[in-house]
Amino acid sequence: GAGVSQTPSNKVTEKGKYVELRCDPISGHTALYWYRQSLGQGPEFLIYFQGTGAADDSGLPNDRFFAVRPEGSVSTLKIQRTERGDSAVYLCASSPGLAGGQETQYFGPGTRLLVL
Amino acid sequence: RKEVEQDPGPFNVPEGATVAFNCTYSNSASQSFFWYRQDCRKEPKLLMSVYSSGNEDGRFTAQLNRASQYISLLIRDSKLSDSATYLCVVRFNKFYFGSGTKLNVKP
Repeated sequence: GAGVSQTPSNKVTEKGKYVELRCDPISGHTALYWYRQSLGQGPEFLIYFQGTGAADDSGLPNDRFFAVRPEGSVSTLKIQRTERGDSAVYLCASSPGLAGGQETQYFGPGTRLLVL
Repeated sequence: RKEVEQDPGPFNVPEGATVAFNCTYSNSASQSFFWYRQDCRKEPKLLMSVYSSGNEDGRFTAQLNRASQYISLLIRDSKLSDSATYLCVVRFNKFYFGSGTKLNVKP
């Protein structure tokens, strides 16, 4: 079946602009995660959803970052007043559940964000 | 201190070699453990989960040592296609990724 998809695959924006990054998880997966990956680093946790609610948003770096998952499927990561330091690959992952073998995460291809 | 620490490498090995990576984690209450593989400019993909009893999948063997808080990955008979970055992942409520260990398998 279809995997996790993310759009756009690349986004170039100017400092101060607003961007939205979209994630379509695998159908039926209840958990959805957002990560940010900089060059030479592992993915850094931002937020995860169980269903429609944000179960843990402790990784969001500041209040310029916000994410929603209104119907428990598609999620959007929103970044306001972008800064050059926001440039990174934003990865989305989904998993069937949260425990007992259901927690394996399947990643999308990522969105490469470049803030000029 | 980082939650998960890995030697960044690179590990440069010839085809057919056996290579091992270790990863240490800081939270003794961590719940689940994984190895992911990431190719250059691609997304991470699950290689294997790691269980206390150790587990094997073909040429790959993973071990967990809770007392010493480390996990290991052993790759036997390395192939050129094993060249990638290997990410150690530990779950304590949320998931913590190491920075990865780069493996280059040479002909």
